[in-house]
Amino acid sequence: AQSVTQLGSHVSVSEGALVLLRCNYSSSVPPYLFWYVQYPNQGLQLLLKYTSAATLVKGINGFEAEFKKSETSFHLTKPSAHMSDAAEYFCAVRTLSGSARQLTFGSGTQLTVLP
Amino acid sequence: DSGVTQTPKHLITATGQRVTLRCSPRSGDLSVYWYQQSLDQGLQFLIQYYNGEERAKGNILERFSAQQFPDLHSELNLSSLELGDSALYFCASSIGGGANTGELFFGEGSRLTVL
Repeated sequence: AQSVTQLGSHVSVSEGALVLLRCNYSSSVPPYLFWYVQYPNQGLQLLLKYTSAATLVKGINGFEAEFKKSETSFHLTKPSAHMSDAAEYFCAVRTLSGSARQLTFGSGTQLTVLP
Repeated sequence: DSGVTQTPKHLITATGQRVTLRCSPRSGDLSVYWYQQSLDQGLQFLIQYYNGEERAKGNILERFSAQQFPDLHSELNLSSLELGDSALYFCASSIGGGANTGELFFGEGSRLTVL
């Protein structure tokens, strides 16, 4: 079975500071991993995805994530936080169930950006 | 705009009642997924349909049912509603089949309040 664990349900950073949101995965097969963002009163939007190509994945809005097999991690980073980055972030892993493919999400991390 | 349309956006009803949530997937997507998001349970996978057929089931209650119609839109039926069913219900779609990397496109959700 595939699963992800997000460390830290709330993270606060100052504007301009580094953003680091942690995600560890568990998978018996090479994983496909995703980061989604949810702004208030909106649906989830894909930030980036890892599908077994380059281990450093660049996404939208200046975010990137690095797949580290040795650490079973897929942490999300952004060099300089902006006020507009305040949102909830979800890590997800593609789950295989027979011929079905779906996403299993972590519990989410609420990012607050302080002025 | 993800291209996934959900109606209604908000719904308030009483315990014991039945409601239907509707979802139109992105053009060309064959798979539709339903997720429930609540404060205590997080984002939970309910059910997946692919080209009209049920493909996978998650944590869906027996009081809930869904279907996907020939035009690929989907409906989620929630009956004998309880207070604990109050949540945000998301529909998502994907290409489906062998081309599916797992990336999902989410609608903006239907917020259900049961009083």
